[in-house]
Amino acid sequence: ETGVTQTPRHLVMGMTNKKSLKCEQHLGHNAMYWYKQSAKKPLELMFVYNFKEQTENNSVPSRFSPECPNSSHLFLHLHTLQPEDSALYLCASSQAADNEQFFGPGTRLTVL
Amino acid sequence: DAKTTQPPSMDCAEGRAANLPCNHSTISGNEYVYWYRQIHSQGPQYIIHGLKNNETNEMASLIITEDRKSSTLILPHATLRDTAVYYCIVRLLSNDYKLSFGAGTTVTVRA
Repeated sequence: ETGVTQTPRHLVMGMTNKKSLKCEQHLGHNAMYWYKQSAKKPLELMFVYNFKEQTENNSVPSRFSPECPNSSHLFLHLHTLQPEDSALYLCASSQAADNEQFFGPGTRLTVL
Repeated sequence: DAKTTQPPSMDCAEGRAANLPCNHSTISGNEYVYWYRQIHSQGPQYIIHGLKNNETNEMASLIITEDRKSSTLILPHATLRDTAVYYCIVRLLSNDYKLSFGAGTTVTVRA
């Protein structure tokens, strides 16, 4: 238990669906992250939020839309995804930019 | 951030020390060496980090060579639960949030 929770743990969606991934951290951290891990590829940073402000968008397609309503919660809204978007989506948090990151268990997403 | 080179895989025996090497020959003076691991189907877990001195915590020890061009992560008494992918990451500590994960080393601990 890392103090970072993600829901749902598994999600199957069609290409026309809209769904959201949720992340919550109970560590009092100020920064939150979304990563994508595709099969046999390294983790890729997608978005970074610091004090609820987005500080990094790593050239992510607009079909992925992040939302950070407060420092404890982070969402990733999904719409019109493609099968190649199937991956493990990981959320992480850290106290500050130069601190170690704590990861959640991830959401395994399958796009049909 | 400087790149790292790790062996793609290694086996070790349960109860023995596991020594995981990492080469970072282009590391600069203000870059730290971080180690994370990822057990199958879980999120990565922070293990340890260091700048130039050797470091030890409850999970592992980190030995950094004097020229800082390589390091070794030591798991003192490997257990089956240590089977995971281990990532060595070199990171400039600044306002840059990035952790650049490579392919890592797949460590299999055998009974």
